[in-house]
Amino acid sequence: GQNIDQPTEMTATEGAIVQINCTYQTSGFNGLFWYQQHAGEAPTFLSYNVLDGLEEKGRFSSFLSRSKGYSYLLLKELQMKDSASYLCAVLDSNYQLIWGAGTKLIIKP
Amino acid sequence: NAGVTQTPKFRILKIGQSMTLQCTQDMNHNYMYWYRQDPGMGLKLIYYSVGAGITDKGEVPNGYNVSRSTTEDFPLRLELAAPSQTSVYFCASSYSREGGNEQFFGPGTRLTVL
Repeated sequence: GQNIDQPTEMTATEGAIVQINCTYQTSGFNGLFWYQQHAGEAPTFLSYNVLDGLEEKGRFSSFLSRSKGYSYLLLKELQMKDSASYLCAVLDSNYQLIWGAGTKLIIKP
Repeated sequence: NAGVTQTPKFRILKIGQSMTLQCTQDMNHNYMYWYRQDPGMGLKLIYYSVGAGITDKGEVPNGYNVSRSTTEDFPLRLELAAPSQTSVYFCASSYSREGGNEQFFGPGTRLTVL
């Protein structure tokens, strides 16, 4: 079966750095997405990786290792507004997105 | 651009009732999707459409139906509502399914079946 694993919840301090991991086992791979979802709101796109390596976008970076079935989202200079759930999703061989359950990130002052 | 809009935002149904969740996008996207999101679980694909007149089942289609008569609209129909259909429903659209084409989501419909 297809499976995406992420930690359920993480806590970090304002101004710090946090890394949210995602491991996946899917039928085929056509890219990995990270989305942010604030409580009670819709998911919004953060990043896309299809090749191994690090993609940097401002305070957010996303890393992919296809051979290990592993990705992480790195958030720097954490702000209170970064308190949200972070969803990892893999585009499988049928070009359907398989979603992880999300990691709830709590930022403390 | 309004993006993806959904109505209603909230709804309470009694067991056995039916309803239609509306979804409209103004980005001229060919691809549209319906997901449900339950607490502690990932988004599950209910139905999707690759263009007007074409729909296909996703992972959890039972108890739902869709239609796609225009590029803009993709309504989701619930027949004979059951408590198991209590969930948050998101409609999304994208330019393509390939590459890094992100999906744009509507604000969601929170449905409770009692």
